[in-house]
Amino acid sequence: GNSVTQMEGPVTLSEEAFLTINCTYTATGYPSLFWYVQYPGEGLQLLLKATKADDKGSNKGFEATYRKETTSFHLEKGSVQVSDSAVYFCALSPAAGNKLTFGGGTRVLVKP
Amino acid sequence: EAGVAQSPRYKIIEKRQSVAFWCNPISGHATLYWYQQILGQGPKLLIQFQNNGVVDDSQLPKDRFSAERLKGVDSTLKIQPAKLEDSAVYLCASSLEQGGVYEQYFGPGTRLTVT
Repeated sequence: GNSVTQMEGPVTLSEEAFLTINCTYTATGYPSLFWYVQYPGEGLQLLLKATKADDKGSNKGFEATYRKETTSFHLEKGSVQVSDSAVYFCALSPAAGNKLTFGGGTRVLVKP
Repeated sequence: EAGVAQSPRYKIIEKRQSVAFWCNPISGHATLYWYQQILGQGPKLLIQFQNNGVVDDSQLPKDRFSAERLKGVDSTLKIQPAKLEDSAVYLCASSLEQGGVYEQYFGPGTRLTVT
């Protein structure tokens, strides 16, 4: 079946540091890949997505590239802010269908 | 555009009691989902509706959980009787197909505590 594995947190960074959160997946065919963010006390928000190999999703300074050869979709941001403190979830939906499978989430804490 | 609405935001009940959650999806979204998110874990799909029909309820504990989506709009999720392990955040989401991809939009969730 489909599965998503992401690095465990918490990840603690200083402001303006570089952030990487690793995400790898197992799925048949060509799934769509997503990163969702959950700020404290709020629901999940779609951060970015990629629907085919070598696509790069980007939003709010975050980027992730769909790597079919390594089945990965790592999230990166060059300079984090305190406001980026949140839990980040990697997810996939299958090539045929719309059911989301989530990773376990990575908590990120950015200190001033 | 209004987002996905859920109520209540918080609920505390004792085990063996019943509880119901309500969700109003984004207008025009045909697909509605209920997820359970246990603390420290990613959301797990409980049930998916397409209009008012069930598409996937394979992960729904049907002995105690039930859900309906009358008229293909609002939905309710019920737990009866609740167990301690049902303590979680219950998320509702809705989606619209765009170019073959379904983007899911989530509500704020209902945090359930079973004591």
